[in-house]
Amino acid sequence: GAVVSQHPSWVICKSGTSVKIECRSLDFQATTMFWYRQFPKQSLMLMATSNEGSKATYEQGVEKDKFLINHASLTLSTLTVTSAHPEDSSFYICSAIHLAGLTDTQYFGPGTRLTVL
Amino acid sequence: AQSVTQPDIHITVSEGASLELRCNYSYGATPYLFWYVQSPGQGLQLLLKYFSGDTLVQGIKGFEAEFKRSQSSFNLRKPSVHWSDAAEYFCAVGAGSWGKLQFGAGTQVVVTP
Repeated sequence: GAVVSQHPSWVICKSGTSVKIECRSLDFQATTMFWYRQFPKQSLMLMATSNEGSKATYEQGVEKDKFLINHASLTLSTLTVTSAHPEDSSFYICSAIHLAGLTDTQYFGPGTRLTVL
Repeated sequence: AQSVTQPDIHITVSEGASLELRCNYSYGATPYLFWYVQSPGQGLQLLLKYFSGDTLVQGIKGFEAEFKRSQSSFNLRKPSVHWSDAAEYFCAVGAGSWGKLQFGAGTQVVVTP
């Protein structure tokens, strides 16, 4: 099946720094990608919808100036956590939509564990 | 507003026994329903999905789910679990396979020998 990768798989950074997370669709083009956040032992919460060539759409309560999303190509979306703080520590998961007519499917990346010290 | 409820946070089952995970949803339109499994260090994997048609859906790894509109439920079942089925299971609802998803809180499945 289709594969979505994320890089890095884990990252530790100091408070106040910015961290970029990449999400790539490896064998298909994705005009739409989603970014989710998952706290320990909790469900995935949608943060934003990333559309290639246009601005991301953020869910209510998500700070767009803190979580910058760029979908510069049909295979790459990036999430930048700016001025990260310990409360931003979480598991970030992306997904990409593989449009294939009746078999449209959303594929998820393996996630990125962010720890802010 | 749409929502997904997984009443069981944690389930322990013996290897070889049957498994049923519950999922109830609230959705304003015809829902697209999904079950995903998340294993440590791996991404979410789609087990099965329901859009329309036969309300009993077969998925991968021997899982099946039944859509019951009258009960707003989409429960996942497996007749005989294997140790490799130990994982976190998420039910999700959305407007389509191409749309954003609302996830339930998840059910952690532990398989004992």
